[in-house]
Amino acid sequence: GESVGLHLPTLSVQEGDNSIINCAYSNSASDYFIWYKQESGKGPQFIIDIRSNMDKRQGQRVTVLLNKTVKHLSLQIAATQPGDSAVYFCAEKNCTNAGKSTFGDGTTLTVKP
Amino acid sequence: DTGVSQNPRHKITKRGQNVTFRCDPISEHNRLYWYRQTLGQGPEFLTYFQNEAQLEKSRLLSDRFSAERPKGSFSTLEIQRTEQGDSAMYLCASSLLSSTNEKLFFGSGTQLSVL
Repeated sequence: GESVGLHLPTLSVQEGDNSIINCAYSNSASDYFIWYKQESGKGPQFIIDIRSNMDKRQGQRVTVLLNKTVKHLSLQIAATQPGDSAVYFCAEKNCTNAGKSTFGDGTTLTVKP
Repeated sequence: DTGVSQNPRHKITKRGQNVTFRCDPISEHNRLYWYRQTLGQGPEFLTYFQNEAQLEKSRLLSDRFSAERPKGSFSTLEIQRTEQGDSAMYLCASSLLSSTNEKLFFGSGTQLSVL
């Protein structure tokens, strides 16, 4: 079956540093990937997405990199701020399960002042 | 529009009781999803609707779980004869399907505690 997983369950960074959160997936048919941020007591919130025909996409202070060869996805946050402290999930969709997104287990990012 | 709304935010019930949760999606969204999340885990897909049609329900955890979206707007998730293992956060999400680039907009969830 398909699975999505993160390399590290926790990450602690200093305010102002860059953060990199990694994710691995198993399904070669995955064609759409999404990063979500979940703060305490809230539902996940969309951050950025990328299609499988791309290898990089940038947003405001965030960049997603996709390496289809090794089935690896990363989220880079520039100049990390205390408000970035949250749990980050990667999720994938593919044409065979177009109805649902499969989520990994999350990385908890803690930003130290 | 204030986003996806879920009620109640918290539900405490005794084992064996039935519970029902409600989700009001973003009004123009045609897809509605139910997920379950336990502590330290990512959301786990349960079922989803496109308009009023339930397109997949195979991931509902048992026949005690059922969901409806009768008019293609709000949805309810019912758990009958609750068990302690049902304790979790139940998340609802909605989306506007225009392509496979489908962002999910989540509500804040209903936290269920079964005593």
